[in-house]
Parts: sequence; C-alpha cells; structure tokens
Amino acid sequence: QKEVEQDPGPLSVPEGAIVSLNCTYSNSAFQYFMWYRQYSRKGPELLMYTYSSGNKEDGRFTAQVDKSSKYISLFIRDSQPSDSATYLCAMSGYRDDKIIFGKGTRLHILP
Amino acid sequence: EAQVTQNPRYLITVTGKKLTVTCSQNMNHEYMSWYRQDPGLGLRQIYYSMNVEVTDKGDVPEGYKVSRKEKRNFPLILESPSPNQTSLYFCASSLSSASNTEAFFGQGTRLTVV
Repeated sequence: QKEVEQDPGPLSVPEGAIVSLNCTYSNSAFQYFMWYRQYSRKGPELLMYTYSSGNKEDGRFTAQVDKSSKYISLFIRDSQPSDSATYLCAMSGYRDDKIIFGKGTRLHILP
Repeated sequence: EAQVTQNPRYLITVTGKKLTVTCSQNMNHEYMSWYRQDPGLGLRQIYYSMNVEVTDKGDVPEGYKVSRKEKRNFPLILESPSPNQTSLYFCASSLSSASNTEAFFGQGTRLTVV
C-alpha cells in the first residue's frame, strides 16, 4: 500500500459547484496535512495547512482531517474557472525531514 | 519579493554532458530540497539540505549530486545525464525542517536528455 493515495482525475465540474478532493494515507504518524495548488507550468503553492485532526476554513476552501480513518479532504465552495489546477495533498510527521506528496488531482471548472 | 529562482527554465541536453541547475532563495530559509515531477509518479524528492554543508538523500538520489556552500543556493548537478532523467524539476525552500513549515517552490526546470 502506497503511503499516500490520491485519485489523479481529471475531475470536471461546472462553475459554482462544490468540489471535494480527497487523499488517504497509511502512516499513522502523520500529523501535518497540507494542500498545495499547482497551476500549469508553475510550481506548487501552499493552499491550506492543518495540524492533526479537525477542520480549517479559509474563504471558499475547507480542509478536513480524519485521523481515525486516515482520510483528508479539501472542499471548494462556489468553484470558479480560476480554481482549475492540480491539487496535491501532502503530509508529514512530527520532526520528519520531508513531506510526502500525493500524485495530485487535476481539476477542471467548466464555465 | 520572496521567491525561489531556478535556472534555466528549459534545457535540452545530450546524454553524458554534465549540467547544473541552479536554485537560489532570498528568504534566509534553512531547508532546501529538489524534487522531480513525472506523470503518474507525482513529486519525488531527490535531495534535501537542512542547512549549509548539510545534505541528505531523498527518495530518488541516483544520478544526482547537490551542494550547499551558501545558505541561499542549492544547485542540482547531473554529472552524466541519461534519458531517464528527462523530467520537470522543482527546487523548494522552507524556514526550517519540512514537517511543519510552508515549502516555497521555484517555477520549475523542464529538462530533456536526448
């Protein structure tokens, strides 16, 4: 079983819809959970960061972590064409030297 | 402006010809790393550096070298490039160790080895 699993998509949804992106993981030591957004021909940039379990909201974006199920989600409300990008989940453990990335989900928001 | 700068952005080279991809950050970050990104494989870490003169292997270090003589610079060296090193490369930096700080990525270097 891979350490981090993420459906590569592509996922196409109409503008204004709620988008749900997910990752599962196997390492119970992970405590830091992140979502990066990567536009075409650009480097990834941090979108959301969560420590341990729970929810975190930032504008139209909500990150959820369920450590008991080893499952993390990113919700995008009122999706816009500018949200079209690849979304990578990432995680690491306390004092880990590196971040483990998912393979990314390509998202297309259709006008 | 805070940024990570990689050069060159695009490079086509021939098998066996040594090359260096430069990476520089202006945020006084301690931690720097190199990744390669391939379709279906995602981002994989090549090497990382916790501070000046401190480097360590990531998940896919074979065929690569790095050095960290100055805090701001972290060049990636391919002594004898091969076609399987054709990829999109990203340099990243963060304030301290990777676990709980934001990683800032460069714009990427698309390398083709023929």
